[in-house]
Amino acid sequence: QVQLQESGPGLVKPSETLSLTCTVSGGSISSYYWSWIRQPAGKGLELIGRIYSSGSTDYNPSLKSRVTMSIDTSKNQFSLNLTSVTAADTAVYYCAKLRGAVDAFDVWGQGTMVSVSS
Amino acid sequence: SYELTQPPSVAVSPGQTASITCSGDKLADKYACWYQQKPGQSPVLIIYQDNKRPSGIPERFSGSNSGNTATLTISGTQAMDEADYYCQAWDTSTVVFGGGTRVTVL
Repeated sequence: QVQLQESGPGLVKPSETLSLTCTVSGGSISSYYWSWIRQPAGKGLELIGRIYSSGSTDYNPSLKSRVTMSIDTSKNQFSLNLTSVTAADTAVYYCAKLRGAVDAFDVWGQGTMVSVSS
Repeated sequence: SYELTQPPSVAVSPGQTASITCSGDKLADKYACWYQQKPGQSPVLIIYQDNKRPSGIPERFSGSNSGNTATLTISGTQAMDEADYYCQAWDTSTVVFGGGTRVTVL
């Protein structure tokens, strides 16, 4: 049973870079698509982007200029960098596994709260 | 950009049927899926590819997708089904989520 665990700072200063890592356990990171999704408090879900095990990426157009995702198959991890953060980036950040390229998210991490504040 | 519209809330009595709609232009041309999210928890996939249930999801959850509307149906609703429900579909290479529906079991 694949499990996902997010890790990273819970507090980031405005204008700095938010960096998170998702560790995949119980299965291989290879041959799947992996995503980052966020949810501001009391609001809905927003896809940040997806990455394939080969390293190819697709980003939400509204965040594309600030997002970089990467993958390390040797460590079974993938990562998110979001630059120039503002208070609007405060949210719970989830990593998730896709069943297929354009399918559903069948495994989710527990989520990590990231606050942007000085 | 593509949008999915859900009613903000649905109320249902225990044992009755709850129907949650998700509307989008020609949604039936895409696969719709549904997630359940309880307070403080991560979303859980309950329906994928319009009407398929992942292992472990009770049979009382079912889905359909026709025309511009996908529907999640909860038959014999239980108190434990009180949660937020989100629909999701893909538009080109990006995911679109509905705004979510709060299901209250009265």
